[in-house]
Amino acid sequence: SQKIEQNSEALNIQEGKTATLTCNYTNYSPAYLQWYRQDPGRGPVFLLLIRENEKEKRKERLKVTFDTTLKQSLFHITASQPADSATYLCALARGTYKYIFGTGTRLKVLA
Amino acid sequence: GAVVSQHPSRVICKSGTSVKIECRSLDFQATTMFWYRQFPKKSLMLMATSNEGSKATYEQGVEKDKFLINHASLTLSTLTVTSAHPEDSSFYICSARVQGVDTEAFFGQGTRLTVV
Repeated sequence: SQKIEQNSEALNIQEGKTATLTCNYTNYSPAYLQWYRQDPGRGPVFLLLIRENEKEKRKERLKVTFDTTLKQSLFHITASQPADSATYLCALARGTYKYIFGTGTRLKVLA
Repeated sequence: GAVVSQHPSRVICKSGTSVKIECRSLDFQATTMFWYRQFPKKSLMLMATSNEGSKATYEQGVEKDKFLINHASLTLSTLTVTSAHPEDSSFYICSARVQGVDTEAFFGQGTRLTVV
């Protein structure tokens, strides 16, 4: 069955450092992958989308890579800030509107 | 970005009663909306895909008679949890997409349902 794995443990980093989150998937060939941010008690908020033919995507302090050979996406936040503390979800889809979500990684940026 | 409004944000109901949750796309038309359920520290689990003007498509293991979905207009989908039980307590989230396959989904703020 399709499976998406994200760092299950919380990730704590110091303010100003780069946070790197991982999303690995198996038994799936997504056409595109998305990253979302979710704050406690709230719905997810879209951050970035990357397609299978793209290696890297950037938006301000955010960078996403997509390696279809390794079946992995990395999500980077540079110059991290305490306000970046949240749970980050990756979601995969192919050919339909349906998304499969990972369990999310909780990031905490320490001041 | 597009806005999806979900109402109510919190609801407490008694066992055996039904609860209706609304999901509205405020500034775009959504022919398709999605309903998710999320348990604490767990992933979003897709429950069903709501199609305007037709029957919803339910994921395997989701009881369609338990979770009634109606998508009567291009801007409104509703999820009704019928004969609610404590195990139905959860965080329910809807999402909608702007027309086009590879676009991001916009999510509502979620509804925290507690059945007592």
